[in-house]
Amino acid sequence: EVRLLESGGGLVQPGGSLRLSCAASGFTFSNYAMSWVRQAPGKGLEWVSSISFTGSNTFYADSVKGRFTISRDSAKNTLFLQMNSLRAEDTARYYCAKDRGMATDPPDGFDVWGQGTMVTVSS
Amino acid sequence: QSVLTQPPSVSGAPGQRVTISCTGSNSNIGAGYDVHWYQQLPGAAPKLLIYSNTNRPSGVPDRFSGSKSGTSASLAITGLQADDEADYYCQSYDRTLSGSTVFGGGTKLTVL
Repeated sequence: EVRLLESGGGLVQPGGSLRLSCAASGFTFSNYAMSWVRQAPGKGLEWVSSISFTGSNTFYADSVKGRFTISRDSAKNTLFLQMNSLRAEDTARYYCAKDRGMATDPPDGFDVWGQGTMVTVSS
Repeated sequence: QSVLTQPPSVSGAPGQRVTISCTGSNSNIGAGYDVHWYQQLPGAAPKLLIYSNTNRPSGVPDRFSGSKSGTSASLAITGLQADDEADYYCQSYDRTLSGSTVFGGGTKLTVL
C-alpha cells in the first residue's frame, strides 16, 4: 500500500523551530519529487515547498523562503521540512505529498497525500 | 489572494451537472502549464481527481472530467451525488513565481 505518514507537528512559540518528517512506503521514494502543502484552519490549500527526486532542486513559497528548508533522505524513505523563525501565520495542518513525476517545476499532480500534521504557533 | 481564481461556492441537486472554473493568466494556465484538480472531503486529506487537464487517476469515476482552454480550466461533475459534497481545488504552475506551484482558492460544492 502506498502511504505517507507525517510527524513532528505540535505547539511552538513564535520564533521557535520544528522539524516535520514524512515517512514514505509502498513506492520507490527516490524516483519521485515530493512537496509540502499546508492548510490553515478553515482556509484553502497553500503550496509550501517542493524537492526534486534527486534532492538537487528545491523550491519555496515566498511566504516561507529563508525560514523553511526541505530535504529528503532516500536511504530512509523520508521527507523533511525544517521550519525556523515560526510565525503565527504558519499555523496550519502540513501535508506531505508525492508528485506523479520526478521534477516539480512544473508539478505533474500530487497523487499521494498523507493525513497531515498540525503545527500551532502561539505564545 | 491566489493567482488562480475559483468561485467560492457552487451547488446542484442530485443527478445534475455542475462545473467549477479555474481562471488564471498568461503566466500560468495560459502559458501552457497543466492544471490538476483535487477533491477534499470534510476532515480528509486532498485527493487527486484530474491530472494534466483531462486525465483521471485509476478509481476516479468518469462522472468527473476536466478541460482547459486559454487561461482557464474547468472541472465538470455529472450525475451529482450526495458524497460529492466537498471542497475542490485547482493547481498549476506560475512562471513568474520562482518554482511556484499554485493552488486556486478552492470551491465548496453543496449538493442540495
